[in-house]
Amino acid sequence: DGGITQSPKYLFRKEGQNVTLSCEQNLNHDAMYWYRQDPGQGLRLIYYSQIVNDFQKGDIAEGYSVSREKKESFPLTVTSAQKNPTAFYLCASSIHRERTEAFFGQGTRLTVV
Amino acid sequence: DAKTTQPPSMDCAEGRAANLPCNHSTISGNEYVYWYRQIHSQGPQYIIHGLKNNETNEMASLIITEDRKSSTLILPHATLRDTAVYYCIYAGGTSYGKLTFGQGTILTVHP
Repeated sequence: DGGITQSPKYLFRKEGQNVTLSCEQNLNHDAMYWYRQDPGQGLRLIYYSQIVNDFQKGDIAEGYSVSREKKESFPLTVTSAQKNPTAFYLCASSIHRERTEAFFGQGTRLTVV
Repeated sequence: DAKTTQPPSMDCAEGRAANLPCNHSTISGNEYVYWYRQIHSQGPQYIIHGLKNNETNEMASLIITEDRKSSTLILPHATLRDTAVYYCIYAGGTSYGKLTFGQGTILTVHP
């Protein structure tokens, strides 16, 4: 089935460790996005990528890093520099510029202890 | 950043129409209005989008004012499963690629 897959669904890490969240899509979409969602809050954009080997910072990029080496994959690394990493992380992709209808994964819930 | 204004919460009786408003006064001429919804602990789901004409699909209708500064999402016969957070965003044009979500509206459908 075509879709966007995030893994794992739940992730636990010790404070001070870097952690990488996976996002893969087989929809042949050009653009991919990472969002963070805190309890009771809306989605905040971390990074987005419109084409392979290119990405831009969103509104809350500090403490995060991404790569876009393949069209299908857009992994997010939460570094030790991120002060409050515990959150729900959502990945999305969209098809092309005039119609930015986005498809979302089911999210990864990261808990740092 | 693309900004929209939505009421934080709304209630609706099951079987009645739910009308969710959104203000997007800074929208530019080539930007589309999009609506998504998010059911608890899941990824948001696309509902509908439009540029300036009213749109309808199997899920909802979208009414955009003539000046395009506001829109209304209509769920014609709300069910309990429509209880969710509804997000209105606009994108495309100069904001291409940067989908910015606000706080959304929590819609609660009551029996």
